[in-house]
Amino acid sequence: EVQLLESGGGLVEPGESLRLSCAASGFTFSSYAMSWVRQAPGKGLEWVSAIPSTGGSTYYADSVKGRFTISRDNSKNTLFLQMHSLRAEDTAVYYCAMESGSYLETFDYWGLGTLVTVSS
Amino acid sequence: DIQMTQSPSSLSASVGDRVTITCRASQGISKYLAWIQQKPGKAPKSLIYAASSLQSGVPSKFSGSGSGTDFTLTISSLQPEDFATYYCQQYKTYPLTFGGGTRVEIK
Repeated sequence: EVQLLESGGGLVEPGESLRLSCAASGFTFSSYAMSWVRQAPGKGLEWVSAIPSTGGSTYYADSVKGRFTISRDNSKNTLFLQMHSLRAEDTAVYYCAMESGSYLETFDYWGLGTLVTVSS
Repeated sequence: DIQMTQSPSSLSASVGDRVTITCRASQGISKYLAWIQQKPGKAPKSLIYAASSLQSGVPSKFSGSGSGTDFTLTISSLQPEDFATYYCQQYKTYPLTFGGGTRVEIK
């Protein structure tokens, strides 16, 4: 059974940093691209970032480019999202999602999410 | 960026009704279109990929159609567990983009 478990969320002040993790199990993690998708309170889904299975190129939404960094450790079956210079508008539930292939594919599975709150 | 526009933004329907949601892409995306269901307070769940293929375990009351710029999601007979928000999403190119969502409520 595929499981994606996010962690690392919490309350931070504007300008601070946070690192999210997504522990994956139940599938061959190194064979699949992964994404982060967020949802602000009461709003829709917003794609944040993606990384192919090999971890080569990375992709970002304009809203986070230059502030967030996606990475993965295929030896530990873990996806990361390093977030710097956080803003109030980054407040959201962050989901990790497994894609159906190694690059630019549909989402097959989603984690339960971790809440990030940016507030002073 | 490819803009995804869903309509309606919300609808009220009764159990047993047939419901159709539409999604339009701002440029052609072939069949690189997914439909995602989200219930209140829950994680999203993928229903359909490649515009019309059901994800494993998704009941056949859900169906999708379309290609290019115009797509539809149909629920053939609405059941209580189907009341949720539905999103379309394109994966033709980065940045990946979602429609604004369609909230399906009980009449």
